[in-house]
Amino acid sequence: DGGITQSPKYLFRKEGQNVTLSCEQNLNHDAMYWYRQDPGQGLRLIYYSQIVNDFQKGDIAEGYSVSREKKESFPLTVTSAQKNPTAFYLCASIEGQGNQPQHFGDGTRLSIL
Amino acid sequence: GESVGLHLPTLSVQEGDNSIINCAYSNSASDYFIWYKQESGKGPQFIIDIRSNMDKRQGQRVTVLLNKTVKHLSLQIAATQPGDSAVYFCAERVTGRRALTFGSGTRLQVQP
Repeated sequence: DGGITQSPKYLFRKEGQNVTLSCEQNLNHDAMYWYRQDPGQGLRLIYYSQIVNDFQKGDIAEGYSVSREKKESFPLTVTSAQKNPTAFYLCASIEGQGNQPQHFGDGTRLSIL
Repeated sequence: GESVGLHLPTLSVQEGDNSIINCAYSNSASDYFIWYKQESGKGPQFIIDIRSNMDKRQGQRVTVLLNKTVKHLSLQIAATQPGDSAVYFCAERVTGRRALTFGSGTRLQVQP
């Protein structure tokens, strides 16, 4: 089945460590997005990419980095500069650039040890 | 499971009743709106969308109403079922912006 796969489901980070969250889609979608979700809040945009080898900062990009070397993959690195990384991270994709709903993966829960 | 919203406003309804979930959006330049359902430990699932040139759109058991005058969006669920229990988010897309802006969500609890 086509969809978005995020891994791992749960991830733990030590202080000062970088960690990378995986997002893979087999929907042949052009654009991909990373959101952060905290309890009691909606989703906030971290980074997005409309095409391979191009990406843009979202509203809360500080402490994060991304790459888009392949159309189907959009990994997110949470760096040690992100001082409050504990959150639920969601990846999404969309086929074109018009008014269409984003499709989401099932998220990665990141916690600090 | 995941706790996606510990302090969300909660709507509690009886099974079989109709539910209405409301959302106020902020930007008059928004041209596209979506409702998502999120169950614990999962990503948001698309329910229904509406463009700004429409006032109402119906799906299976769901209706979305858009009032641009007061920047208000609502989701109506007919004959609410226990499986409808989840957190519901509205999202808007501002014209020219590539990403969605999400509301903070409402938790729907369906009592059997």
